[in-house]
Amino acid sequence: DVKVTQSSRYLVKRTGEKVFLECVQDMDHENMFWYRQDPGLGLRLIYFSYDVKMKEKGDIPEGYSVSREKKERFSLILESASTNQTSMYLCASSLSQIQETQYFGPGTRLLVL
Amino acid sequence: KNEVEQSPQNLTAQEGEFITINCSYSVGISALHWLQQHPGGGIVSLFMLSSGKKKHGRLIATINIQEKHSSLHITASHPRDSAVYICAVPNYGGSQGNLIFGKGTKLSVKP
Repeated sequence: DVKVTQSSRYLVKRTGEKVFLECVQDMDHENMFWYRQDPGLGLRLIYFSYDVKMKEKGDIPEGYSVSREKKERFSLILESASTNQTSMYLCASSLSQIQETQYFGPGTRLLVL
Repeated sequence: KNEVEQSPQNLTAQEGEFITINCSYSVGISALHWLQQHPGGGIVSLFMLSSGKKKHGRLIATINIQEKHSSLHITASHPRDSAVYICAVPNYGGSQGNLIFGKGTKLSVKP
């Protein structure tokens, strides 16, 4: 079974802090994704990566950056956390192509005070 | 960019009832995904289908490519089916290589 893990289930940070969210997958998947999920808005793509050191902006990249130094690990960085970044953050991975099934991590619920 | 609409937004059913959740999209696709999200957040993929029908246990997914419509059915519903069900389609014209998600249908099955 594919396993996607995220570094924290719950996180509380202060406005202005730098926040790192880590995601690791164990199935040698090419693609990795970071989403945020807010009530009434559904899942929205922040960034994705289709290869090591490659990244593409999603629909809402502002205020975020990412890093993929190793194939199995994809990090989401909030350079200076703000209260409007309070959300559920979900990481996912897929084998390769657009039609491929995505496998999700358990999510990190981030609260920015 | 593909637009995805799900209905209903919320659904309450009694245990044993037959459930139908609908998904419509605006741009022709080659595959559609159904996902399930339980309270607590974890999302699992239920189906990926490109035509006809797929069945897994009490869950059945159908798709009509010409009408740009898919349905997810649950037979003999059970309280453990309570979850948010999400459909997703390829995001042609949007961020390359990705899915666009419906807002989800929250299902609550009462014993």
